[in-house]
Amino acid sequence: DAGITQSPRYKITETGRQVTLMCHQTWSHSYMFWYRQDLGHGLRLIYYSAAADITDKGEVPDGYVVSRSKTENFPLTLESATRSQTSVYFCASSEASGAHRNEQFFGPGTRLTVL
Amino acid sequence: QKEVEQDPGPLSVPEGAIVSLNCTYSNSAFQYFMWYRQYSRKGPELLMYTYSSGNKEDGRFTAQVDKSSKYISLFIRDSQPSDSATYLCAMSDYSNYQLIWGAGTKLIIKP
Repeated sequence: DAGITQSPRYKITETGRQVTLMCHQTWSHSYMFWYRQDLGHGLRLIYYSAAADITDKGEVPDGYVVSRSKTENFPLTLESATRSQTSVYFCASSEASGAHRNEQFFGPGTRLTVL
Repeated sequence: QKEVEQDPGPLSVPEGAIVSLNCTYSNSAFQYFMWYRQYSRKGPELLMYTYSSGNKEDGRFTAQVDKSSKYISLFIRDSQPSDSATYLCAMSDYSNYQLIWGAGTKLIIKP
């Protein structure tokens, strides 16, 4: 299917476990982003990537690791999950140029609960 | 102080009313202004995209940018219950691909 997909859609894990959230886009967009969305905080940027093998920290990167070996994939790993990482995680992508540069397209989200 | 301020609401209005949603910002370098709509348990989707100042209209939706006041607005005419959602403003400058987001306003249209 064309677009941007995330998996899993729902995940329950325990404190201390490693969790990887997957993101895949079919548009060959250069930029990809990971956000978390919490009540009262809106969307907060965790990490972003300008191209394969280029990643950079956002506003709240602590406790998260990303990689981007292929343009279409941008996995987010929680190395040792904590309860404060319970949240809804969104992946997004955007083009590097064009009439709507900076427009971000979002995936459906992953709802993560850390017990 | 946040770079982008947006009243989280909720804003509750009767069906058919004109809705006004607003954001203020502090960075005069912002040139790209967007409004996203987010339904419950869904990802945000772009509703309106505006470059620099002025108005843009799309059906029942009008986006306004006033750079002199650092103020953007989204107007919804003839509001429908299906417009009930959270509306997020987002903006960026020319050189940055990151978007700076408002907190989102929850809008409720009562039938």
